[in-house]
Amino acid sequence: DSGVTQTPKHLITATGQRVTLRCSPRSGDLSVYWYQQSLDQGLQFLIQYYNGEERAKGNILERFSAQQFPDLHSELNLSSLELGDSALYFCASSAYLAGGKVYEQFFGPGTRLTVL
Amino acid sequence: GQQVMQIPQYQHVQEGEDFTTYCNSSTTLSNIQWYKQRPGGHPVFLIQLVKSGEVKKQKRLTFQFGEAKKNSSLHITATQTTDVGTYFCAVIRFNKFYFGSGTKLNVKP
Repeated sequence: DSGVTQTPKHLITATGQRVTLRCSPRSGDLSVYWYQQSLDQGLQFLIQYYNGEERAKGNILERFSAQQFPDLHSELNLSSLELGDSALYFCASSAYLAGGKVYEQFFGPGTRLTVL
Repeated sequence: GQQVMQIPQYQHVQEGEDFTTYCNSSTTLSNIQWYKQRPGGHPVFLIQLVKSGEVKKQKRLTFQFGEAKKNSSLHITATQTTDVGTYFCAVIRFNKFYFGSGTKLNVKP
């Protein structure tokens, strides 16, 4: 158990819909990262938040957005869903990322999104 | 563009054989991390390398960072069925994490 929780575990929805994925980082971790992993694919970095502020943006579509709340949990919002958005979405947290010092990421169990 | 290339994509070995996966970058890296993802699971951090020429060992796993800090390898000696999974390298540039495409290891008992 990494200490990172994600809900829901599975999500099935239809094209055009909007969903929200939730992530609670490990206690004390200020950084939250979101990744997309399509079937048998690598991990695509979407976005990172640090202590409530957006820190880095990867290949995140305009239809997707995220935020980190004061209690440090984070939500990833996916709208106008398309079939191609079906994937495993991972959240990860780390202690800190500053001054070139990088800490390991702890991944949650993921949310499997199926768009029909 | 591709930040880090990882090869091979797949590796099938007989239990007891060795296994190596490689990550290569066209630019100098400040550090590199390695993760393992079991089938149906989530990535789990294995190690981070930061120094040129660094070699670290974890039981049967040996991690190397190239002298030029442009490549890295993970070597498993005498694989076991518990080693099955996908091994990813990850690099960080401008606060963004870039994962290699992964090497999927299958170990036949």
